[in-house]
Amino acid sequence: GIQVEQSPPDLILQEGANSTLRCNFSDSVNNLQWFHQNPWGQLINLFYIPSGTKQNGRLSATTVATERYSLLYISSSQTTDSGVYFCAVERRNNDMRFGAGTRLTVKP
Amino acid sequence: GAVVSQHPSRVICKSGTSVKIECRSLDFQATTMFWYRQFPKQSLMLMATSNEGSKATYEQGVEKDKFLINHASLTLSTLTVTSAHPEDSSFYICSARDIPGLAGRRTDTQYFGPGTRLTVL
Repeated sequence: GIQVEQSPPDLILQEGANSTLRCNFSDSVNNLQWFHQNPWGQLINLFYIPSGTKQNGRLSATTVATERYSLLYISSSQTTDSGVYFCAVERRNNDMRFGAGTRLTVKP
Repeated sequence: GAVVSQHPSRVICKSGTSVKIECRSLDFQATTMFWYRQFPKQSLMLMATSNEGSKATYEQGVEKDKFLINHASLTLSTLTVTSAHPEDSSFYICSARDIPGLAGRRTDTQYFGPGTRLTVL
């Protein structure tokens, strides 16, 4: 099956810093989503981005489908950004596979 | 829009009992719902795909007689953990995909519920 690798596994930032999270995948996909899992376990949709670039406030994401990677940018990080960020991909419908996640801690 | 709810949010049960978890899409219809399992500090693992009006499709290694799935309507799927044991303790999360072609919807996005934390004593 498709492999999804996220890096770094852990990231500690000072409030206000910027960061880039990476997701590599082993095969072509028709769906890629970025999620933020908050401390209570809720998965929050950040981006649906099988290709191209999108921005939403302090967050933006870029997927280069031909090179099989996606990047999530967090600018001016805040303590509320802490949590686990997951990348998930689908090759065909109904087989979403998650990466291991990046655990982000933003310190005040 | 695109809200998915789960009930209960937390359940503690004795070993040998059965537990039912409900997953509802509140403001859209979902022909397909998904059930995931997440162990502490680990990623989500797909357990099964639930299709309205038909049998669920289980991932390799997931016991279909242990984890019963029923997708009775376009807004409700249930997961029943039968004869639960302590090793079934986990965080169970459902998701739903909206019906393709519905105006204003991104057709391939999965929307996730808040999860159910199951503890089997």
